[in-house]
Amino acid sequence: GAVVSQHPSRVICKSGTSVKIECRSLDFQATTMFWYRQFPKQSLMLMATSNEGSKATYEQGVEKDKFLINHASLTLSTLTVTSAHPEDSSFYICSARDTGDTEAFFGQGTRLTVV
Amino acid sequence: QKEVEQNSGPLSVPEGAIASLNCTYSDRVSQSFFWYRQYSGKSPELIMSIYSNGDKEDGRFTAQLNKASQYVSLLIRDSQPSDSATYLCAVRKTSGSRLTFGEGTQLTVNP
Repeated sequence: GAVVSQHPSRVICKSGTSVKIECRSLDFQATTMFWYRQFPKQSLMLMATSNEGSKATYEQGVEKDKFLINHASLTLSTLTVTSAHPEDSSFYICSARDTGDTEAFFGQGTRLTVV
Repeated sequence: QKEVEQNSGPLSVPEGAIASLNCTYSDRVSQSFFWYRQYSGKSPELIMSIYSNGDKEDGRFTAQLNKASQYVSLLIRDSQPSDSATYLCAVRKTSGSRLTFGEGTQLTVNP
């Protein structure tokens, strides 16, 4: 399958700081990228969808000014958690897809801990 | 009603048995169906995709889709302890739309 690389895999940051998570498609052009958050024992919750070159579409209840998404190229999308707080601690996962009906592939995930 | 519902689990089967995982979806226009496996602390991994009614087999895995009943299942034959994970059912309504995930079913295969 296609490879999606997400970095870092684990990060600990202080409350009030910002953290950037990168998601790269290594062997295909990611027309669309999805960002998910997963709390323990829960399923994936879609945060936002981004198409290359366009502004991200955020799901209801997700603060766009807190979770900044950039998808400036066909191989890279970033999620920046701004002014992080302990309640933002979670497992963040990106997913990338080429064209419309192709399968989406997941990155390895980023475990964010805000202390 | 949730868009995608799965067995609440956890499901426990002995090694070598068949594990059966079920999923129902609410929107009849849904077109694409996926099963993902997620190990603890890891991101989901695609196991099977199915788009038309009937069975689709890949090794020990068989996905079954019944659009009339809005039901999709995953059978794992000859279950192995390494199959122990959470299995997520995902549904996509139309080409290009997002995936909607179920809550997942935790499977334990006992040696």
